[in-house]
Amino acid sequence: NAGVTQTPKFQVLKTGQSMTLQCAQDMNHEYMSWYRQDPGMGLRLIHYSVGAGITDQGEVPNGYNVSRSTTEDFPLRLLSAAPSQTSVYFCASSYSPGLGTEAFFGQGTRLTVV
Amino acid sequence: TQLLEQSPQFLSIQEGENLTVYCNSSSVFSSLQWYRQEPGEGPVLLVTVVTGGEVKKLKRLTFQFGDARKDSSLHITAAQPGDTGLYLCAGRGSNSGYALNFGKGTSLLVTP
Repeated sequence: NAGVTQTPKFQVLKTGQSMTLQCAQDMNHEYMSWYRQDPGMGLRLIHYSVGAGITDQGEVPNGYNVSRSTTEDFPLRLLSAAPSQTSVYFCASSYSPGLGTEAFFGQGTRLTVV
Repeated sequence: TQLLEQSPQFLSIQEGENLTVYCNSSSVFSSLQWYRQEPGEGPVLLVTVVTGGEVKKLKRLTFQFGDARKDSSLHITAAQPGDTGLYLCAGRGSNSGYALNFGKGTSLLVTP
């Protein structure tokens, strides 16, 4: 099983550029989410989706957009990259957001904005 | 956002030693999970605890959920180099809807 697949694994952007981080899962999970991980800050929730066509903001949504047109895909768009968005980004999916449900994570995208 | 505080932030021990990692909050959590993350990888679930006072064992790892469901601990017996990694606690609060909130993690290094 592929699980959660993120592309690219590494990316360098110039300030002001835009890009899309891709996330796909093959487990038919309804709930998907994006996190960023910074040293000493843990994982912080950016956006999440409870199903196709439904998205909502997490703790740190500014500068990011998401959409969910299919169950499988949940891309994260950086509209105008800033150095503060240098981070490691993780996509996660779970069968449901309910009590005790396991979250499956991708391998991450390491983004550097110069 | 319901905050989860983890301690210690860093831990360096020798193979064979025991250790305990703590996860505390002022909020009540309906469930709490422990994940382990290795360099260059995403977190992987170790255990979920749901009931106050619950104790779960996974080989040399023992997880406990506090009676008030505000705290949890992870105890490793006779640590091995393969236990090295970042240990993260995560909780879904009773009022946080769909959000899975993570602590900042405990970075564990076990040397031979």
